[in-house]
Amino acid sequence: EAQVTQNPRYLITVTGKKLTVTCSQNMNHEYMSWYRQDPGLGLRQIYYSMNVEVTDKGDVPEGYKVSRKEKRNFPLILESPSPNQTSLYFCASRSTGGKGQPQHFGDGTRLSIL
Amino acid sequence: AQSVTQLDSHVSVSEGTPVLLRCNYSSSYSPSLFWYVQHPNKGLQLLLKYTSAATLVKGINGFEAEFKKSETSFHLTKPSAHMSDAAEYFCVVSSNQAGTALIFGKGTTLSVSS
Repeated sequence: EAQVTQNPRYLITVTGKKLTVTCSQNMNHEYMSWYRQDPGLGLRQIYYSMNVEVTDKGDVPEGYKVSRKEKRNFPLILESPSPNQTSLYFCASRSTGGKGQPQHFGDGTRLSIL
Repeated sequence: AQSVTQLDSHVSVSEGTPVLLRCNYSSSYSPSLFWYVQHPNKGLQLLLKYTSAATLVKGINGFEAEFKKSETSFHLTKPSAHMSDAAEYFCVVSSNQAGTALIFGKGTTLSVSS
């Protein structure tokens, strides 16, 4: 089954404790992206990657890091989490083909930073 | 710059009655437009997409949307609502020609009563 898998689905942690949210897709997609969803703000892009070793900032990259060492994986790293990063996070992927290709989303990771 | 406005934050209908979720967009080029649905505790699922082919787009679960360039609108409709349609719906435009990001509307929560 074609899917985007995120782990963990839920995490409660404390300020300053480094964490990584993993994202893996099995569709051989070149493009992957991370979004955060906050009430009243919709989804906003954090980082994206057009292919292996190619990453770029989205609209809200502060406080986050990413890496793309393999085509299927695109982890999101919070080096020193803070309470304002409490949010619902989604990973997405799509094939090449430009703006007309729809993105496939994972089920989300709910992070709570205390 | 591209933007999306969902005109209603909440729509309530009775089961069996028509559904209309309104979306206006702004784009400096020929846009790609999408509607996604999000059920509680789930990721986003693609309902339909417009990519400059037919202006009336049919999607899954009986939904359809009409692209109206003169009105810069992409409203989502369904002839007869089901209880299972209760969810949050997002109108989305591709941010640029390369499709490096999606711009999301704030979302419309659809409630369906029996």
